Amino acid sequence: KNQVEQSPQSLIILEGKNCTLQCNYTVSPFSNLRWYKQDTGRGPVSLTIMTFSENTKSNGRYTATLDADTKQSSLHITASQLSDSASYICVPGGGATNKLIFGTGTLLAVQP
Amino acid sequence: DVKVTQSSRYLVKRTGEKVFLECVQDMDHENMFWYRQDPGLGLRLIYFSYDVKMKEKGDIPEGYSVSREKKERFSLILESASTNQTSMYLCASSASSGTVNTEAFFGQGTRLTVV
Repeated sequence: KNQVEQSPQSLIILEGKNCTLQCNYTVSPFSNLRWYKQDTGRGPVSLTIMTFSENTKSNGRYTATLDADTKQSSLHITASQLSDSASYICVPGGGATNKLIFGTGTLLAVQP
Repeated sequence: DVKVTQSSRYLVKRTGEKVFLECVQDMDHENMFWYRQDPGLGLRLIYFSYDVKMKEKGDIPEGYSVSREKKERFSLILESASTNQTSMYLCASSASSGTVNTEAFFGQGTRLTVV
C-alpha cells in the first residue's frame, strides 16, 4: 500500500531560525512529489513540485530536496517568519492515477 | 483567479439527517476530490472523480456517497449523519494532463458538526 510518513509531527522554532521537515514515501511507481502549505482554517496551497530527476528546488526561502533512490524528500525553511506557521504536507505522485494521497503533515509554529 | 467554492463554511446537523455538501470549481478541471481532515490524521480521501458521472472510492468511503452530474460540481452526501462524521471537509480539483500529481486547488472547507 502506498504510504507517506512525515516527521516531525510538530515543531516549534523561533522567528529567524531555520528548520527542515522530512517526508518518506513508498509510492510506486514514482513520478514526482509536491509540497503543500496549509494555513490554519484554510485549504492547502502548493509550494513546489519536484520530478524524480530533480535533487533540489527553491521557492524563495523554501528549498525542497528529493532523493528518489531512498524515497525521501525534505523541505528546508530559511530565516523563518511568523507567517510560516502552518502545516506542511507532502504528496508523492505516480502511476496512472491522479488520485492524490496526502501525508499527515508537519505542524510548524514560529514564535517571536 | 482560480476558484473552488464550497457551499457552506459551517454546518450543524442532527444525527440521522441526510447532508449535502456542495463544491463548485471554475477551472474546467477534470478531477475533483473530497477529503476530511481531523486532528492528527491529516487529509483522508473520501471519494475522487476523474470525469462527469465517474467516481472512485478513496480510503474512507463508508457512510458517504458522491454525485458528479456536471463537470464543475461535485457533491458529497452523508446518507444518515452520525457524530463520528463531525469533521472539516475539504473539496479540491485538479487538471488531468500528461503527468500525474497536477496541482490541487482547495476550497475553504466546511466545518460540519453532527449533534
